[in-house]
Amino acid sequence: SQQGEEDPQALSIQEGENATMNCSYKTSINNLQWYRQNSGRGLVHLILIRSNEREKHSGRLRVTLDTSKKSSSLLITASRAADTASYFCATDGGSQGNLIFGKGTKLSVKP
Amino acid sequence: SAVISQKPSRDICQRGTSLTIQCQVDSQVTMMFWYRQQPGQSLTLIATANQGSEATYESGFVIDKFPISRPNLTFSTLTVSNMSPEDSSIYLCSVEVYSYNEQFFGPGTRLTVL
Repeated sequence: SQQGEEDPQALSIQEGENATMNCSYKTSINNLQWYRQNSGRGLVHLILIRSNEREKHSGRLRVTLDTSKKSSSLLITASRAADTASYFCATDGGSQGNLIFGKGTKLSVKP
Repeated sequence: SAVISQKPSRDICQRGTSLTIQCQVDSQVTMMFWYRQQPGQSLTLIATANQGSEATYESGFVIDKFPISRPNLTFSTLTVSNMSPEDSSIYLCSVEVYSYNEQFFGPGTRLTVL
């Protein structure tokens, strides 16, 4: 079953603008991870945030986690056309130690 | 991190045939998983590939349809058997790097069944 739900499902912005994607989940977690997928290829790991962390940065990426609201957000600043991709959040807690994925946000950055 | 390769990267197969997908990791890992991503959908776990024992399948997936081997800590195969068009998906293997709890994915195998 799916744990995370991303919102919006699709987002279209101009190059240089910021993109914010949100993820909500249902059960307690130890950590939450964000991934990028280009054109149905493999998933690229972006960032992991642990349940005791509230914010994490990596380059132009900023991830927040609010465990009281069971939600996370991914902010991409100064977006580029190369950021065009689908973005997924995934939580731990699968019965086999696997990740549980949300439905993803499809981001389109126009040059 | 871990570097993961998959072969083949894509294939087009006929109904009723089988395809074996290989996953190779550049370091020894304990946890290795196989996921399926149907067109326009998110990822769903097929099974955990266990080294030296039978894979552990998620509800809705069975060994006869998706036999998995894992002969050592760096390699696994997933076979999609007796394929039908509904099996057209991207199949991805992933591994967990214990020291960081991060899971990394291979580049995926895009399968089309005609």
